[in-house]
Amino acid sequence: AQSVTQPDIHITVSEGASLELRCNYSYGATPYLFWYVQSPGQGLQLLLKYFSGDTLVQGIKGFEAEFKRSQSSFNLRKPSVHWSDAAEYFCAVAAPILTGGGNKLTFGTGTQLKVEL
Amino acid sequence: DSGVTQTPKHLITATGQRVTLRCSPRSGDLSVYWYQQSLDQGLQFLIQYYNGEERAKGNILERFSAQQFPDLHSELNLSSLELGDSALYFCASSVAGVTGELFFGEGSRLTVL
Repeated sequence: AQSVTQPDIHITVSEGASLELRCNYSYGATPYLFWYVQSPGQGLQLLLKYFSGDTLVQGIKGFEAEFKRSQSSFNLRKPSVHWSDAAEYFCAVAAPILTGGGNKLTFGTGTQLKVEL
Repeated sequence: DSGVTQTPKHLITATGQRVTLRCSPRSGDLSVYWYQQSLDQGLQFLIQYYNGEERAKGNILERFSAQQFPDLHSELNLSSLELGDSALYFCASSVAGVTGELFFGEGSRLTVL
């Protein structure tokens, strides 16, 4: 079964500073990988996803993530954080089962990002 | 706005009671997922339906049940409620499984007193 670990529960960065949120996954092969963001009182929104191909993926809101098979990691990065980025970020993994088949996203425990002005 | 509608947004009830949470997926999405989010358990997958049929099951208690109707809306029924069932319940939908993007509703916050 797949699993995902987000080792940082809380992270605080200054506005304008760079950001890296860590994610490590466990799966026998290359899984589907995702980053979602949850703002207070809101549902989750997809930032980016990786299925195959180029290991550096670009997402919305200026975020990017890099898949590193050797490290079983899929870290999320942003070069310059804005105060509006304060939220909780979830890494998720899914087995690559295709259309209509039973499948699920397994989420990490989340990283709460605080941005200092 | 994700296009996924969940009702009610907030619900307060007593132990032993039964509640029904409703989810309307985005237009055209065939898959519906239910997740439970709590402080101690995080985001836990409960169940997935695809075009009316159950396709995947996670950590869903026997006291909980769900179904997806012909119009693709889904309901999650929670019975014999316990204090520990207090949580935020999310519904998400996608066109065809997790290969696409899951669109999440804003959740139904259940408080059991």
